Amino acid sequence: GEDVEQSLFLSVREGDSSVINCTYTDSSSTYLYWYKQEPGAGLQLLTYIFSNMDMKQDQRLTVLLNKKDKHLSLRIADTQTGDSAIYFCAERTGTASKLTFGTGTRLQVTL
Amino acid sequence: DGGITQSPKYLFRKEGQNVTLSCEQNLNHDAMYWYRQDPGQGLRLIYYSQIVNDFQKGDIAEGYSVSREKKESFPLTVTSAQKNPTAFYLCASSIGLLAGVVNEQFFGPGTRLTVL
Repeated sequence: GEDVEQSLFLSVREGDSSVINCTYTDSSSTYLYWYKQEPGAGLQLLTYIFSNMDMKQDQRLTVLLNKKDKHLSLRIADTQTGDSAIYFCAERTGTASKLTFGTGTRLQVTL
Repeated sequence: DGGITQSPKYLFRKEGQNVTLSCEQNLNHDAMYWYRQDPGQGLRLIYYSQIVNDFQKGDIAEGYSVSREKKESFPLTVTSAQKNPTAFYLCASSIGLLAGVVNEQFFGPGTRLTVL
């Protein structure tokens, strides 16, 4: 079955790097996604990685995928106060259009 | 502007009443989804539809109903059978069932439902 887990909370200082972790159980995942949710709003896609990749970099964001351990991480370099939000990882398996979301990690950025 | 809209933003309901949440998209997407968000539980899938006139139950469909009569619209009815309906409801859409496509889900701004 599908299960995606994340730690609930992370606090970092402005300017430091943030690393948000995610574990999933379904080895047939094809795409893995990171979404950001600001307070009282919907989710926005930040980045995604295809399952045959192990790293993807996009400006301040770096996604690492360890398929053997079913572990996904999102690194945000030079974290800013505007990065404070809830971050969700999600997996898509096979050709299905639906996603399974993690529990979300609330990132708090302090001055 | 293309996008996905939900209305109303806030909704209050008395116990025992059915209520319908609206979701409209003009992205020409085939697939649409309804999620429920509760604190500390992430997003849970209620129903989804991959094409007009077809929909499937998600993980927590009990007490909810949907229809998909038009490509643009996917309304969700929260019935009196839903025991704990107070939550934040999110609608999303995506291209759909094309293999090899990223299939990003685009989200609406959400509706916060409170049962009094």
